[in-house]
Amino acid sequence: DTEVTQTPKHLVMGMTNKKSLKCEQHMGHRAMYWYKQKAKKPPELMFVYSYEKLSINESVPSRFSPECPNSSLLNLHLHALQPEDSALYLCASSPRLAGSYEQYFGPGTRLTVT
Amino acid sequence: KNEVEQSPQNLTAQEGEFITINCSYSVGISALHWLQQHPGGGIVSLFMLSSGKKKHGRLIATINIQEKHSSLHITASHPRDSAVYICAATNTGNQFYFGTGTSLTVIP
Repeated sequence: DTEVTQTPKHLVMGMTNKKSLKCEQHMGHRAMYWYKQKAKKPPELMFVYSYEKLSINESVPSRFSPECPNSSLLNLHLHALQPEDSALYLCASSPRLAGSYEQYFGPGTRLTVT
Repeated sequence: KNEVEQSPQNLTAQEGEFITINCSYSVGISALHWLQQHPGGGIVSLFMLSSGKKKHGRLIATINIQEKHSSLHITASHPRDSAVYICAATNTGNQFYFGTGTSLTVIP
């Protein structure tokens, strides 16, 4: 299984809602990543987990809260988002954080904040 | 200044043409990646290379470490090659530095 899955595919939420994005991989990868991508721009790194511990937080606002409950799962909890947070949210994984590895990307969750 | 620069930003080609996309980087890297993103979102890794040249089907990627430059070539282009191609450099922490992407349209 060389797939990273993400749910939901699409999400529309109001600014007062709380929702979660989910990412799953069963490749035994120990590094997992959240990216945010706006239209016609490259992905921007948000968070990196290595061995289920938060390794990198790229100064992301606290309305985004990541969680890595086990080595296969990565969640992104959303609360009190702003319309400018509307974007494609991509999850990725790689075997390890250190070294040179390909990252395997999920299909993304397209988020619209109304 | 972005650590990874790509050119061209947009490219339109006729089916069958030979296509080249260029990538220059200013950071020290452990590897250079070429990624493909179709409309709708998902990103696929095409190549990871740290020296020389790699080939997969009609796609060829080269890297010149001394000149800090990489190219992605597509031979006999096809409309299904239409996508955004992204160059990304990684350091030893496997953090990606993304280029701005090249939007390729291949016309039948």
